[in-house]
This record gives sequence, structure tokens and C-alpha cells, in this order.
Amino acid sequence: NAGVTQTPKFQVLKTGQSMTLQCAQDMNHEYMSWYRQDPGMGLRLIHYSVGAGITDQGEVPNGYNVSRSTTEDFPLRLLSAAPSQTSVYFCASKRGSNTDTQYFGPGTRLTVL
Amino acid sequence: DAKTTQPNSMESNEEEPVHLPCNHSTISGTDYIHWYRQLPSQGPEYVIHGLTSNVNNRMASLAIAEDRKSSTLILHRATLRDAAVYYCILRAPDNYGQNFVFGPGTRLSVLP
Repeated sequence: NAGVTQTPKFQVLKTGQSMTLQCAQDMNHEYMSWYRQDPGMGLRLIHYSVGAGITDQGEVPNGYNVSRSTTEDFPLRLLSAAPSQTSVYFCASKRGSNTDTQYFGPGTRLTVL
Repeated sequence: DAKTTQPNSMESNEEEPVHLPCNHSTISGTDYIHWYRQLPSQGPEYVIHGLTSNVNNRMASLAIAEDRKSSTLILHRATLRDAAVYYCILRAPDNYGQNFVFGPGTRLSVLP
């Protein structure tokens, strides 16, 4: 299994540009989520999904959209990039219950100029 | 989810045991205690979790206080590869079980 994969690894955007961060998992996990991590801080939840066709907002959803058309994929869209969205983005997945292990991808480092 | 408090940083010598504390005085009876760690430039990885009893796995041990208001992650013999930020997270049962609240964690340095 590849686990959780994310592309790209690095991205530089100009203010106002849009882009999509890709996330895929091959473990048939129902739950997937997106976090952002700013320097020296913990992770903050952006959006999450409990299954195909179902998404919900996390702690910091503004400026981001998600969709979940398949179990495997959970892309994160930046609608109009802002410098405040400069961060490292992590995608994660887990099988289901509260005690399940959460698996994280390697991250995407995004810089918005 | 209830809040956790961890020291900002700790140091250990290689091949010595490390005890990483976590306080969670407002923990509820159904909260699970999870530990994750984040190696430099990587995503977090699962270490261990428990509810009431002490837990052991190949990576670490988790000692939970009898009143559950604190817990300790124990690395039995620290290696250089164990240098990471360690997060103590409480997980409350909910309909989705999705929201992990990551605080700043404890940055562990391992000295050769």
C-alpha cells in the first residue's frame, strides 16, 4: 500500500491564483481530512469527510473548498490564494471509529506571494 | 475535546529512557488518550493510545494515571531517530470521530 499520497510537494502561488492540492489513499478508509500547519504550531483542521459525497467544515475552513466524489480522493481547492494561506498542508485518513489510527500524508508546502 | 498541556521541549541522551508528560485535568470518562509524533519535515505518525489501562507497543509505553488527569509517554531507549515533536491528544466520542486537536506538542531533542 502507498498509504496517503499528496501532490504537489511544493507550490508557489501569487495572490489571487487558485489551485487544487491532491490527496489520495489506497486503504479504503472512510474518513479523510485536511489540516494546515503554520510554523511552530500544531495542526488545525480545515475540512473533513466521513465518506464519499459527505464533507464538513473544520476549525479553519474559510478560503478552501473540498469535495469527495470517490472513497480514494479528497482534493482541497484554494479559491483565491492569500499570503495568510502560506502553510504546510497535510491530508489524513482513517478507517472509521474514534480509536482508529489516523494516517497522514507527507505534506504540501505552499507559499503564497 | 478536552485540552492537554505538555512541556514545550525536553532533552534526552541517546539510549536512555524518556518520559514525556501530558496533563489533561478536564478529561471526560470516555476520552481516549492518543499520542502522535512528527519527525522533521514529515506528517504526524501514530505512536500509541489508551483509555484507562497502561498500554505497550513496539514503539513506546503509555502510562495513565489512576484518576486519568495525566499520562506519560515512555520511550524505553531513545535513539536519534526519536527526535520529533510529540503530541498528546484527547479524542472524545462523537458522530464522526474526525477532529483531532493538535496543540504545539513537546519538542524532544536526543543528544548523542
